[in-house]
Amino acid sequence: EVQVVESGGGLVQPGGSLRLSCAASGFTFSTYAMSWVRQAPGKGVEWVSGISGSGDSTYYADSVKGRFTISRDNSKNTLHLQMNSLRAEDTAVYYCAKLGGAVDVWGKGTTVTVSS
Amino acid sequence: QSVLTQPPSASGTPGQRVTISCSGSSSNIGSNTLNWYQQLPGTAPQLLIYSNDQRPSGVPDRFSGSKAGTSASLAISGLQSEDEADYFCAAWDDSLNGWVFGGGTKLTVL
Repeated sequence: EVQVVESGGGLVQPGGSLRLSCAASGFTFSTYAMSWVRQAPGKGVEWVSGISGSGDSTYYADSVKGRFTISRDNSKNTLHLQMNSLRAEDTAVYYCAKLGGAVDVWGKGTTVTVSS
Repeated sequence: QSVLTQPPSASGTPGQRVTISCSGSSSNIGSNTLNWYQQLPGTAPQLLIYSNDQRPSGVPDRFSGSKAGTSASLAISGLQSEDEADYFCAAWDDSLNGWVFGGGTKLTVL
C-alpha cells in the first residue's frame, strides 16, 4: 500500500524549533519529488516546501524561506522539515505529500501549535 | 489570498449537476496541468482529478474536469449527499517554483 506517515508535531513556543518527519512506503521514494503542505485551522491548504527526488533541489514558499529547511534520506525513505523561528501563524496541520500524477499521496498530517 | 481563485461556496440538490471554477494565470494553470482534491471534514485531501481531466482509479465518473487557457472547472453530476465537502484546485507555478492552491469551495448538498 502506498502511504506516508508524518510525525514530530507538537506545542512549541514562539521562536522555538521543531523537526517533522515523514516515513514513506509502497512506492519508489527516491524517484519522486516530495512536498510539505500545511493547513491552518479553518483555512485553505498552503504549499510550504518541496524537494526533488535526488534531494539536489529544494523549494520554499516565501512565508517560510530562511526559517524552514526540507531534506530527505532516500536510504531510509524519509522526508524531514526542520522548522526554526516558529511564529503563531505557523500553527497548522502539516501534511507530507507526493503531489502530481495519478499517484498522489497525502499523509494524515501532524499538528503544529505555536503558542506561549 | 490564494494564487488560484475559487468561489467560496457552491450548492445543489441531490441529482443535480454543479460546477466549481478555478482561475489562475499563465505561470500556473496556463502552462501546467491541474489537480482537483476533495477534503472531508477532519481528513486529508483526496485526489479527484489529475492532469486536468483524468480520474484516478476508484473515483466515480460523476466527477469530471476540464481546462481552457488559465481557467479550469470541476463538474459533479448526479449530486449525492456524500459529496458535501471542500474542493480545491492545485497546479505547479513556474514563476513561484512551487505548488499553488485554490482557497477551496465548500459544497453544500441541500
